[in-house]
Amino acid sequence: QVQLVQSGAEVKKPGASVKGSCKTSGYSFTWYPMHWVRQAPGQRLEWMGWINTGNGDTRYSQKFQGRVTITRDTSASTVYMELSSLRSEDTAVYYCATNVGATAFDVWGQGTMVTVSS
Amino acid sequence: EIVLTQSPGTLSLSPGERATLSCRASQSVSSTYLAWYQQKPGQAPRLLIYGASSRATGIPDRFSGSGSGTDFTLTISRLEPEDFAVYYCQQHGTSPPLTFGGGTKVEIK
Repeated sequence: QVQLVQSGAEVKKPGASVKGSCKTSGYSFTWYPMHWVRQAPGQRLEWMGWINTGNGDTRYSQKFQGRVTITRDTSASTVYMELSSLRSEDTAVYYCATNVGATAFDVWGQGTMVTVSS
Repeated sequence: EIVLTQSPGTLSLSPGERATLSCRASQSVSSTYLAWYQQKPGQAPRLLIYGASSRATGIPDRFSGSGSGTDFTLTISRLEPEDFAVYYCQQHGTSPPLTFGGGTKVEIK
């Protein structure tokens, strides 16, 4: 079945970077884009950016421009999201999500909790 | 950026009752790009409705979506115990950023 499995929780200090992974299975990796969405505690979902897994093109939310980098490894069917210059406000659950069977995000990873604390 | 405003913030209802959730956009959204999600504590969101009115795979027919332009509605015809959760609308048009509404919490009265 279609599945997205994300890397484990991280604890980082302010100013550091974090890189999470999203390993896919059950579908043709390069046929569908991958998005990253985060959710701070008690807050709404927030879209960060996406990658065209076929050609590697990316598009980021202006809010994260310059701090976020989304990449992919087609041989491993895995997408990565790196966020730099972390601050306490970046404490959140980070999700990868894609649209395989619908036009919206019908498949989600389980989420990665990132805690930024000194 | 398209801002999505959901109302009410919290809806207190009993099982078996009808729930009507609203999502208003700051500018017109193509129906093709309007979706609804359900999220329970500690879980990832689950797609309920895409294209404003199409149910995602496996979603019961008590969930329905409607609307166009700037006003969209999610209706749950008869609430089941497992429907008490937070619901988000999303617009995922061709011009980033994609945005989500602030959510409506449906709680047991």
